[in-house]
Amino acid sequence: QKEVEQDPGPLSVPEGAIVSLNCTYSNSAFQYFMWYRQYSRKGPELLMYTYSSGNKEDGRFTAQVDKSSKYISLFIRDSQPSDSATYLCAMSVDAGGTSYGKLTFGQGTILTVHP
Amino acid sequence: DAGVTQSPTHLIKTRGQQVTLRCSPKSGHDTVSWYQQALGQGPQFIFQYYEEEERQRGNFPDRFSGHQFPNYSSELNVNALLLGDSALYLCASSLGAGVNEQYFGPGTRLTVT
Repeated sequence: QKEVEQDPGPLSVPEGAIVSLNCTYSNSAFQYFMWYRQYSRKGPELLMYTYSSGNKEDGRFTAQVDKSSKYISLFIRDSQPSDSATYLCAMSVDAGGTSYGKLTFGQGTILTVHP
Repeated sequence: DAGVTQSPTHLIKTRGQQVTLRCSPKSGHDTVSWYQQALGQGPQFIFQYYEEEERQRGNFPDRFSGHQFPNYSSELNVNALLLGDSALYLCASSLGAGVNEQYFGPGTRLTVT
């Protein structure tokens, strides 16, 4: 079983839709949670960075972390064609833990927003 | 503000050969991590360099080695290339070892034939 599971999709939505992307994980030591966006043939771009449980909002993006369920989500409101990309979740353990600073990624979800 | 840069953009090698990939971190960053991303998969951690030393290593064989220079730039070396080494190699930089807020470069696409 992989430490981080992410539905690869693909996910196709109309412009303006609310998109929900999710990851589950098995390692209870994960404390830091990130979402990256990766356009084709490019490197991942950091979108959201959160610590422990709770919500974080940045413009059209909202990240949620539920540590009790080992489940994280990224919501995109008013989705645009320019949001079409692969979205990767990533996680890391707390300071002092082994492998601190090592990011463990999900497989990535391919999202297409059509006009 | 210069972001993370990597060279070359892509290259083709033959099985058994050796390859060196290069990375310059984002301005102000002192830590470099390397990841391998196979097609359709998420990046996998190879190792991290801080203060010119390898600080952490993922589940990669010794054929994968690296180096960090005093100016914080880094190299990834892969010996005895296998077909399975074909992937996008990503460099990420951060400020301080063990920092999770990492910024990625565009990657080097390696094809092994």
